[in-house]
Amino acid sequence: DAGVIQSPRHEVTEMGQEVTLRCKPISGHNSLFWYRQTMMRGLELLIYFNNNVPIDDSGMPEDRFSAKMPNASFSTLKIQPSEPRDSAVYFCASSSPRQGKQFFGPGTRLTVL
Amino acid sequence: GENVEQHPSTLSVQEGDSAVIKCTYSDSASNYFPWYKQELGKRPQLIIDIRSNVGEKKDQRIAVTLNKTAKHFSLHITETQPEDSAVYFCAVAGGGADGLTFGKGTHLIIQP
Repeated sequence: DAGVIQSPRHEVTEMGQEVTLRCKPISGHNSLFWYRQTMMRGLELLIYFNNNVPIDDSGMPEDRFSAKMPNASFSTLKIQPSEPRDSAVYFCASSSPRQGKQFFGPGTRLTVL
Repeated sequence: GENVEQHPSTLSVQEGDSAVIKCTYSDSASNYFPWYKQELGKRPQLIIDIRSNVGEKKDQRIAVTLNKTAKHFSLHITETQPEDSAVYFCAVAGGGADGLTFGKGTHLIIQP
């Protein structure tokens, strides 16, 4: 089991640029979650999908953020345009319908200059 | 929405002693309560979880207790070891498929 895979692991970009973060959930898991972690706000849920359908996006900060899940094995989180306050570690997690336990990917550390 | 309070923010214990971390939540409909351990620069790792139909669950040196009436749950670590040093997060969800609301974390320091 490869676990949840995220790319890139590190991203440094300049304010105003578009950023795309990628996630591959654990095979067989039907729920996928995007979280953000900062010192100030801790770990917070941004959006989650069940069976590729967005269920709750109330945690998405603003319209600059968007997420998609075109199929069961791939999801993207896009920030356009990026701002310095978006700097954080972005985690993707997945869970199976039977267990419900969420397993986290290694995260993407985003720095917006 | 759900509000999760976690205490203490920092906990220092002597190696071999026990550590207890407590969390309270606001939504009485919540029914899933996992605990995560996060080492510096690493991902959160699930260490134990409990569902609302169970009052206590134990896995070797780690145990979680749940009081649904009072809306609080606790993590107990016995015989602490240096490798237990990390940040521990409690979390709450309405069910296995829901997103988690996390506490602010407890930095556990094990003194040799």
